[in-house]
Formats: sequence, C-alpha cells, structure tokens
Amino acid sequence: GIQVEQSPPDLILQEGANSTLRCNFSDSVNNLQWFHQNPWGQLINLFYIPSGTKQNGRLSATTVATERYSLLYISSSQTTDSGVYFCAVPSGGYNKLIFGAGTRLAVHP
Amino acid sequence: GAGVSQSPRYKVTKRGQDVALRCDPISGHVSLYWYRQALGQGPEFLTYFNYEAQQDKSGLPNDRFSAERPEGSISTLTIQRTEQRDSAMYRCASSFQGGATDTQYFGPGTRLTVL
Repeated sequence: GIQVEQSPPDLILQEGANSTLRCNFSDSVNNLQWFHQNPWGQLINLFYIPSGTKQNGRLSATTVATERYSLLYISSSQTTDSGVYFCAVPSGGYNKLIFGAGTRLAVHP
Repeated sequence: GAGVSQSPRYKVTKRGQDVALRCDPISGHVSLYWYRQALGQGPEFLTYFNYEAQQDKSGLPNDRFSAERPEGSISTLTIQRTEQRDSAMYRCASSFQGGATDTQYFGPGTRLTVL
C-alpha cells in the first residue's frame, strides 16, 4: 500500500520563527490533507491540497503531485501552533486515509 | 450538526468489559470512517460506511471489534471483552460523498483506557 513519510519528526522553534514541514508519499494521489492535532487532542483540518499552493493566514501549503511531496509552511510561529502536524492521503477508490507519523512541533515564547 | 461529535469523550473500563463508542457525523454526510490512534502515532483506518452499508472493515484488528450504522447516520463502534492493548484514541470522521477527492472532517475522539 501507499507509504507516507513526514519530516522532521520533531521541531522546536522560538516564537516568531518560520518552519517548513515535509510530507512524501510513495504513489500518485488525487487528494492530500494536512491536519493539526492540538495539545487537547483535537484533529483540525488545515488544508485540502491535491496539487498547487494554498494559503490561510500564516500557514500555506504546496503539493507537487508529480514529485510526490507536499510542504506545509508556518510563518511567524506562535505558541498556539504547538502540537502535531499530520499529512494524509487516500488509499483505494474511496477516502480511506493513510496518515504519516506526524511532525511534533513545540513553539516556545 | 455543525461538526462531528463523539461520545463519550473519555472512557475508562476494566479489562474484559464491553464498550460502545458513538459517532454522530455532520448532517448530510454520506460517508463515515472510524480510525484508531495509538499514543505518538498517526490515526489508522478501522472501517468505512457508505450510508448504512459497511463497505470496508479491513482495519478492524480482530472479531472483538464491530461497527454499525443502521440508519445511515449515527454509528457505534463496539469493542467486546476489552484488553489493555485496546487503549487508544478512537476517532470518527465523515465526508460528504466519500470519494477519494473528498475532504474528511474529524470528531474530537474518544480516549479509551482499559485497566
């Protein structure tokens, strides 16, 4: 089945710093989602981005489907950005999502 | 409803007891998914419903796990004779149609602890 790898596994930032999180996938996909799991355990949708670039405030994401990777950019990080960031892609003809292991981000004041 | 809801949010049970976890999807969403997330890992697929039909249960770990969605809306995941290894966060998600290009929305999860 499709494999999803995320890097780095852990990231520590000072408030105000920028970061880039990467998601590689082993097969072509027609859907990719980025999620943020906050410290309370809630899994929040960030982006649905099968290809191209999208921006939402300080966050933006780019997926290059032909090269099988996606990037999540966080600019001017804040302590509320802390948590785990997951990317997920579908497997099979429907939307059974395969998740990466996540990137654990800690933003310190 | 406005979002996916799950109940209970926390469940502590003793080994050998049965538990039932409930998911109420976004109103009008055809597809419903259950995932399990162990500590420090990403969610893993358990089962998928299209309306009331269970289309895929390949992720259910063994026959102690079952799920139903009898009226195509609310779903229940049941774990019989719980074991300590069943302790995890159980997440439910729904999507409008269920195709591979659809966006999934997750509920807050049920954290299950088996003592």
